[in-house]
Amino acid sequence: AQRVTQPEKLLSVFKGAPVELKCNYSYSGSPELFWYVQYSRQRLQLLLRHISRESIKGFTADLNKGETSFHLKKPFAQEEDSAMYYCALGNSGNTPLVFGKGTRLSVIA
Amino acid sequence: GAVVSQHPSWVICKSGTSVKIECRSLDFQATTMFWYRQFPKQSLMLMATSNEGSKATYEQGVEKDKFLINHASLTLSTLTVTSAHPEDSSFYICSARVSAGANVLTFGAGSRLTVL
Repeated sequence: AQRVTQPEKLLSVFKGAPVELKCNYSYSGSPELFWYVQYSRQRLQLLLRHISRESIKGFTADLNKGETSFHLKKPFAQEEDSAMYYCALGNSGNTPLVFGKGTRLSVIA
Repeated sequence: GAVVSQHPSWVICKSGTSVKIECRSLDFQATTMFWYRQFPKQSLMLMATSNEGSKATYEQGVEKDKFLINHASLTLSTLTVTSAHPEDSSFYICSARVSAGANVLTFGAGSRLTVL
């Protein structure tokens, strides 16, 4: 069964501190991993996907198949990074993405 | 880019009435749309997958007679909450694949339903 685990419900960091939002997945096939973000009073939007291997707003995430993880990292947190972050797992075919429960990031000035 | 529009953005209704929420893909065709429910400060709960021209696929525990989904065209899916009760009050969000077969989703802004 496909499963996405985000162990932290809430993560608070000071501005300028490094951030790591954890995501672990369970899937026997070849996964496609995503991070979606929801800023206050805005719609959910794609932040990044593992196949793009790019940095968006200073965030990066590396797929580690050995550890079945896709942690989201940023070296220096900014106040505008405060939001709800969801890790999601997809596969080939038409099945829905599986979302983690989300982690609320709060960056304190 | 692919944009999904949801209407209404908020609605208040009396207990026992039915409410329809529309989800439109504005500049692309969506053969599949997904309906989610989001509780305050909590995760997304997938309710159902809406398939154009066929019956929706509901997730376990979601009452299909309670949450009617119709996907009559490639650009419109509707969710009707029938005989709404206060416990149905929630934030309902739709999404669609940006292209067929792609796993990237674009989300609507959501519809907040309050049942009095």
